[in-house]
Amino acid sequence: EVQLVESGGGLVQPGESLRLSCAASGFTFSSYWMSWVRQAPGKGLEWVANIKQDGSKKNYVDSVKGRFTISRDNAKNSLYLQMNSLRAEDTAVYYCARYSSGWYFTYWGQGTLVTVSS
Amino acid sequence: SYELTQPPSVSVSPGQTARITCSGDALPKKYAYWYQQKSGQAPVLVIYEDTKRPSGIPERFSGSSSGTMATLTISGAQVEDEADYHCYSIDSDGNQVFGGGTKVTVL
Repeated sequence: EVQLVESGGGLVQPGESLRLSCAASGFTFSSYWMSWVRQAPGKGLEWVANIKQDGSKKNYVDSVKGRFTISRDNAKNSLYLQMNSLRAEDTAVYYCARYSSGWYFTYWGQGTLVTVSS
Repeated sequence: SYELTQPPSVSVSPGQTARITCSGDALPKKYAYWYQQKSGQAPVLVIYEDTKRPSGIPERFSGSSSGTMATLTISGAQVEDEADYHCYSIDSDGNQVFGGGTKVTVL
């Protein structure tokens, strides 16, 4: 059974940093592109970043470029999102998601809440 | 930037048909996908590549696409279908985009 379990969320002040983690199991982690998707309170879903199987390619939504860094450790079956210079508008539930063989998501974690507030 | 537009809400009586639309300029050339998200839960894929239904998704869920509009249809809506539904697609530049979501109320 595929499982994605996020951790690392919490309450931080504007300008601070946070690192999210996603522990994957039930599939060959190193064979799939992975992604982070977020959802602000009461809002729709927003793709944030993705990373190739070997970590050699990374893509970001414009609003987080230069502030967020996606990475992975295939030996630990783990995905990460380093978030720096956090802003109030980054407040959201952050989901770890696995792509199918195509560019859509077939598995999602339960999400971790990040709140940026003074 | 590319946008997918959905109605904010749709209401349907139990047993009736609900149709949720998603419009986007790239949809004539790009597939649409649909996710169901119940309150407090992660999204679940209910339709992929415009019309295909993943295993385990009830047959009452179907998808179609014509021109710049994709449609998710729930035929014979059940109370348990009450949820937010999000369309998703990719534009010609590879940008991955979700619609704003549609809240489906069954009452």
